[in-house]
Amino acid sequence: DVVLTQTPPTLSATIGQSVSISCRSSQSLLHSNGNTYLHWLLQRPGQSPQLLIYSVSRLESGVPNRFSGSGSGTDFTLKISGVEAEDLGVYYCVQGTHAPPTFGGGTKLELK
Amino acid sequence: QVKLLQSGAALVKPGDSVKMSCKASGYTFTDYIIHWVKQSHGKSLEWIGYINPYSGGTNYNEKFKSKATLTVDKSSSTAYMEFSRLTSEDSAIYYCARVLDYWGQGVMVTVSS
Repeated sequence: DVVLTQTPPTLSATIGQSVSISCRSSQSLLHSNGNTYLHWLLQRPGQSPQLLIYSVSRLESGVPNRFSGSGSGTDFTLKISGVEAEDLGVYYCVQGTHAPPTFGGGTKLELK
Repeated sequence: QVKLLQSGAALVKPGDSVKMSCKASGYTFTDYIIHWVKQSHGKSLEWIGYINPYSGGTNYNEKFKSKATLTVDKSSSTAYMEFSRLTSEDSAIYYCARVLDYWGQGVMVTVSS
C-alpha cells in the first residue's frame, strides 16, 4: 500500500500566521490517466473530516481561498495563508491514485 | 443540501456482528460512490471499502475483506456496512462518505463484554 508521510505531526501557529504542511508519498501519485488524486481533509475537534482541496490544488466549494495546495509526483504541500481560529484541527492528506486509498498520519494545527 | 445521516452508537460483545446505516439525502443516491472509513481512537483514518449504489458493485481493502460487507437499499437511499466477528480492535468510529466530499457524522462502535 502507498504510505503517506505528513510533517510536521504538530504545528503551533498564531492567528494570522501562514503555515505549510507536507505530505510525501512512497510512490508517485500521478495516475496513468494524467490526473493526480491527492486530496486534503480537515477534521475539527469532535467533527467528521471535511474535504478542503482535491486533486492537489482544486479548492472544494465553500472553502476559503486562504487554503491552497501544490505539488506533484511524491511531494505535496498544503498552505494556509493567514490562520484563523476555525482552522484548528487535524489535517490529513489522502491518495486515491493507487488501490487501496490511504491516508497520511495527520498534522494537528493548534494555537501557539 | 447533501447530508449523510448515520445510525447511532453501538455497544456489542466480542464475536458479535454490527450493522450500521448511512442515509443519504440532497442528491441522487445512485450518482456517487459511498466509501466507508475507520478511525480508531485518536488515530488516523483507514479506508474499508466502497460501494457503487447504482450497480451494487463493491471494492474492499484486503485488510477488511473478511470483516466488512457493504450493501445498499436504493429505495431508501441508504448504504449499510455490516462488520462481523468483532474484537476489541474493531472499537472505533466508522464514517460513510460520498466520494470524499461529504461525510456522515460517524458511528462509534464499542466492543466489550
